[in-house]
Parts: sequence; C-alpha cells; structure tokens
Amino acid sequence: AQSVTQLGSHVSVSEGALVLLRCNYSSSVPPYLFWYVQYPNQGLQLLLKYTSAATLVKGINGFEAEFKKSETSFHLTKPSAHMSDAAEYFCAVSERSGNEKLTFGTGTRLTIIP
Amino acid sequence: SAVISQKPSRDICQRGTSLTIQCQVDSQVTMMFWYRQQPGQSLTLIATANQGSEATYESGFVIDKFPISRPNLTFSTLTVSNMSPEDSSIYLCSVRDRLTSSYNEQFFGPGTRLTVL
Repeated sequence: AQSVTQLGSHVSVSEGALVLLRCNYSSSVPPYLFWYVQYPNQGLQLLLKYTSAATLVKGINGFEAEFKKSETSFHLTKPSAHMSDAAEYFCAVSERSGNEKLTFGTGTRLTIIP
Repeated sequence: SAVISQKPSRDICQRGTSLTIQCQVDSQVTMMFWYRQQPGQSLTLIATANQGSEATYESGFVIDKFPISRPNLTFSTLTVSNMSPEDSSIYLCSVRDRLTSSYNEQFFGPGTRLTVL
C-alpha cells in the first residue's frame, strides 16, 4: 500500500528564510503527489501536484516541489518565507490507476518567526 | 476549481445526539468524499459518497455510525450518529471531477468543526 512520510511535525523558519518541508513516498511505481495547505480554521487548499510532466513543479504562493525518483521524495520549498505562510502543510499520494483515493501524511506545522 | 460549501461551519452537540452535515458544490462533480480530521491529526477518509447508491466506507467506519447520502451530482450529507466526545473533529467534504482532471486531485470544503460534550 502506498504511503507518505512527512519528516518534522513542526518547522520554524525566520521571515525571509528558505522554507523546506520534507515528504517521502512509498509506492511501487511513481504515483501522483500533492501538497496541500491548511490555514487555521479553514479547509485544505491545493498548492501543487506532480503528474510526471515535469519533475520541478511550481505552485501557488511561490511554492515549488521537486520530484526525485531515486530518493522517493517530493519536498516542498519556498525561497523566502512570509508571515502569511504560517499554516499546516500536508503531502498526499494517489495511485496512477485504479484507486483514486488520496493518502495523506501526518502534516507539518510551519511557524514563521518575525 | 469547484466552489464547495459546508453547513454548519461549526456546532456543539450533546452526547447521544446526531448531526447532519451538508456539502454543496457549485457544479456537477463525479466524486465526493468525506474525511475526518481529529484534533492535531491528519485527514482520514471516512467514505466515498456515490450518487444514487450506498456509500463506500473505509475500514473502521460503518454506515450505522456515519450514514451518507448523495442524491445528485452537487450535494451530499454526512450524519454523525449517537455522538460521543471521541467524535469531536473537523469533518471535511472533498470533490474530484474525472471530466476535468486525470490526476486524482481533490478540492476541499471549509470543514465543519464538531465538538461533542
């Protein structure tokens, strides 16, 4: 069964610093991969998705993620953190065929230090 | 992407009672899902709401506790029955439209925050 692991339940970065949120997947074939963001008291918003068209995926709000098959990783980055980036971030995985469900990681809470 | 609304946005209920949560989409979608997010936790899929037929439940969730309806392609309800404090969670509706996307991404409603006393 496919799964995702998010290393670090809490990450703190200074405003203007690099944001790096880690996600590793476990799947027999490269799956579809997603990053979602959840702001306080809100639902989940899709940041970006990997579908195999390109290994470097750009998303909304300046975020991007790179798919690395050799490392089974899909880490989320942003060059310069902004206070408004403070939120919970979830990595999710889905099979390419058959099962259309999403399996979510445990989430990483990002705190921005002024 | 589709605009998804949920009612109520939050509620405080007494144990032993039931609450029905509504999910409304502004366009027809092929698939609708219900998730539970317990305090400080990730999302757990409860069931896939099937239009015109019984929902498909995940392991650990049963129809008697979480009856689901989906009368058409834009609306679904989730009922949390005979509630206990352990049911205190955020309940999220999500949608996926096979006609507009081939990549399984889902779009989420704002959630319903339920507290059971």
